[in-house]
Amino acid sequence: DADVTQTPRNRITKTGKRIMLECSQTKGHDRMYWYRQDPGLGLRLIYYSFDVKDINKGEISDGYSVSRQAQAKFSLSLESAIPNQTALYFCATSDPGQNDQPQHFGDGTRLSIL
Amino acid sequence: GDSVTQMEGPVTLSEEAFLTINCTYTATGYPSLFWYVQYPGEGLQLLLKATKADDKGSNKGFEATYRKETTSFHLEKGSVQVSDSAVYFCALSNFNKFYFGSGTKLNVKP
Repeated sequence: DADVTQTPRNRITKTGKRIMLECSQTKGHDRMYWYRQDPGLGLRLIYYSFDVKDINKGEISDGYSVSRQAQAKFSLSLESAIPNQTALYFCATSDPGQNDQPQHFGDGTRLSIL
Repeated sequence: GDSVTQMEGPVTLSEEAFLTINCTYTATGYPSLFWYVQYPGEGLQLLLKATKADDKGSNKGFEATYRKETTSFHLEKGSVQVSDSAVYFCALSNFNKFYFGSGTKLNVKP
């Protein structure tokens, strides 16, 4: 089983719909992140959480919200989807500590908004 | 602020060719440096890392050396295989934040 699981893997929906992407992890990590990936732009950070009671905005949080339901679960919502939110979305986790801890990624959710 | 710059792709090589993907960074303090690989349809996987100056990270025949004097962390492999075709991301971690380069696509032809 994957350590970081994202659901759904693919989603096609219409403009204006509310969408939730879910992420769960079995690594026991405190820190969780949501990124989006667009061609040629690499990864951009949407939101991150260092523990259950901690939520922080990333560089592109407008139009998104998150919920950290438990240490193992971190969901991303698009309240009213728009076509330029079409992208590949990744959840990641990491251990706290010094700078040397890498991030661990799920396999992504491909989201298309028509 | 901190940032990572890597060479644009795609990079196309023949099997058994030598690979270099350039990565330079800007950061204060003492960041750690990483290379990730993304195969089609998958998430990013950690390939190697280096946590201090002059450290060499290595894995699966890939190597990168943390060069503080040139602020670089270039990825190298002596002999690439078709199975190495993927997108490679350079990244740094500093003060609890991660910064990723834009990715370099590698195509290896038989």
